[in-house]
Amino acid sequence: DAGVTQSPTHLIKTRGQQVTLRCSPKSGHDTVSWYQQALGQGPQFIFQYYEEEERQRGNFPDRFSGHQFPNYSSELNVNALLLGDSALYLCASSFQGAGGYTFGSGTRLTVV
Amino acid sequence: GENVEQHPSTLSVQEGDSAVIKCTYSDSASNYFPWYKQELGKRPQLIIDIRSNVGEKKDQRIAVTLNKTAKHFSLHITETQPEDSAVYFCAASISRAAGNKLTFGGGTRVLVKP
Repeated sequence: DAGVTQSPTHLIKTRGQQVTLRCSPKSGHDTVSWYQQALGQGPQFIFQYYEEEERQRGNFPDRFSGHQFPNYSSELNVNALLLGDSALYLCASSFQGAGGYTFGSGTRLTVV
Repeated sequence: GENVEQHPSTLSVQEGDSAVIKCTYSDSASNYFPWYKQELGKRPQLIIDIRSNVGEKKDQRIAVTLNKTAKHFSLHITETQPEDSAVYFCAASISRAAGNKLTFGGGTRVLVKP
């Protein structure tokens, strides 16, 4: 049973560029959440998708956007990258957002 | 919004001793409290969780207690082993139809010395 898979695992981008990160939820899960984890800190909630709609959003600027597809997979897009966007981006899935979130291994984004 | 504080930030224990990590939350509507273990370079893994209708939950060497009145919850690890060394995160969430984000504490780095 595949868990949550994320791609790519590592990414280096230049300031001002745009990036797309991808996530496939655990089999049987339909809710996908994205988190940003800076080095040495706890994950910070970006947003959550359910039934292809953004259901809740954290304190992140509009440069951060997302999408959920009919097969429940999801993308996180970040525009106009800043140095401060360098972090580990984690995707977590659950069934109808009922807790028991399973995290992926994350995408390490470095902005130079 | 919800705020979760976690203490201590680092914890060093001798193998076989117990470890206790404490978290406080601000929103009394929070009703779901998971704990995650994150080893270096790896994904956070759910190790135990508790809902607000339960005061205590145990799974082998790990237990979590919840005090809703005081708005704090704790993780207890007994008979610690070197493989328990990792960063532990507590989190709080309000489960509702409009979405349920996890708000994490800052983490506790646990080192179990053999």
